[in-house]
Amino acid sequence: AQKITQTQPGMFVQEKEAVTLDCTYDTSDQSYGLFWYKQPSSGEMIFLIYQGSYDEQNATEGRYSLNFQKARKSANLVISASQLGDSAMYFCAMRGLQGAQKLVFGQGTRLTINP
Amino acid sequence: ETGVTQTPRHLVMGMTNKKSLKCEQHLGHNAMYWYKQSAKKPLELMFVYSLEERVENNSVPSRFSPECPNSSHLFLHLHTLQPEDSALYLCASSQNSYSNQPQHFGDGTRLSIL
Repeated sequence: AQKITQTQPGMFVQEKEAVTLDCTYDTSDQSYGLFWYKQPSSGEMIFLIYQGSYDEQNATEGRYSLNFQKARKSANLVISASQLGDSAMYFCAMRGLQGAQKLVFGQGTRLTINP
Repeated sequence: ETGVTQTPRHLVMGMTNKKSLKCEQHLGHNAMYWYKQSAKKPLELMFVYSLEERVENNSVPSRFSPECPNSSHLFLHLHTLQPEDSALYLCASSQNSYSNQPQHFGDGTRLSIL
């Protein structure tokens, strides 16, 4: 079974600072994918970044980067130069790549950016 | 229109009503999903459809009945729901159910059961 753990229920950060959102995972699959999604108060889930288990380099997408440490089974999201619009719930998720595997989500972290 | 569209955005219904949630995707994807998001719980996968065939039913009560008439449309038919079914219901699509491509989500339908 796959499991995602996000240990930070809430985080408060000053605007323009960098922030790291923690995510650890557990799986017996050798091949898997890790995803981060953002959910503003409006409800939609917005895909941010993806990391494959065999990718040697950490994924980056604009201000988002994924700090992937395979041996530690962690996939932390780093947001550089935070903005007020970054305030939202952030979900880490994983998916096995063998068969029609479902996307398993963590509990989420509520990020608040203060001006 | 682009992306994944869900209607209605909000729905209030009694326990004896029958209603349907609709999801439409304009991304040319072959897989569609229903998720339930309850307060203080992780997103829960309910159903997966791949090429209009149901490939996963995640132990969902029979009062939820999905329908996928084609690869662009997905419905969730609701009947005799319980108060604990109040939640945000999210639809998603992806290239296919085996892909490492991300799932793209709609805005969700916020359902309240009286």
